Amino acid sequence: AAGVIQSPRHLIKEKRETATLKCYPIPRHDTVYWYQQGPGQDPQFLISFYEKMQSDKGSIPDRFSAQQFSDYHSELNMSSLELGDSALYFCASSRETGGSLAKNIQYFGAGTRLSVL
Amino acid sequence: SQQGEEDPQALSIQEGENATMNCSYKTSINNLQWYRQNSGRGLVHLILIRSNEREKHSGRLRVTLDTSKKSSSLLITASRAADTASYFCATDASNRIKAAGNKLTFGGGTRVLVKP
Repeated sequence: AAGVIQSPRHLIKEKRETATLKCYPIPRHDTVYWYQQGPGQDPQFLISFYEKMQSDKGSIPDRFSAQQFSDYHSELNMSSLELGDSALYFCASSRETGGSLAKNIQYFGAGTRLSVL
Repeated sequence: SQQGEEDPQALSIQEGENATMNCSYKTSINNLQWYRQNSGRGLVHLILIRSNEREKHSGRLRVTLDTSKKSSSLLITASRAADTASYFCATDASNRIKAAGNKLTFGGGTRVLVKP
């Protein structure tokens, strides 16, 4: 079965550079979530989108922005990168409409490992 | 502060034994989910239990939920070496009615090592 696809898998950037992470949800999923997981830390929620509109917002820095496009894929844009932004960034998707028994279950991608040097 | 906290932080058992880990949370929830994460990799959904459920089974997994104590437990029976991973509980505690895209708040994770 198709899963959540994230690209790139690994990314190395310098401080103050920008980065764009992409997420392709499972087909027919309408909701996308972004999480950040620092080394040895729990995943922390950043932001989510439902039907291309921002749905919920967590501890996302002002330097980061995200959007969901008409084909439901999402991009996380990160500017003025700092050393502390080095982390695993996960995208997850879910299907929130249609009365599915799987509603509310978030399926995660393999993540993008960002290293800021 | 963390919504969920897990106990123990690490667990080492022999193959065939059972593994039990606990999770506590602080606010009312809509549902609680358990995820598995192999080192540095993605999170795999294991099981979801809704706030009006008390126990749920899926294969070798058994989850309990006690909303009065704001706690949950995950039991893995007859463990295998392939069960070696970190296990996280995550809560959906949104008070937004009929909302989508509710965030999950993850607990600290329990690292489980199953020795062959």
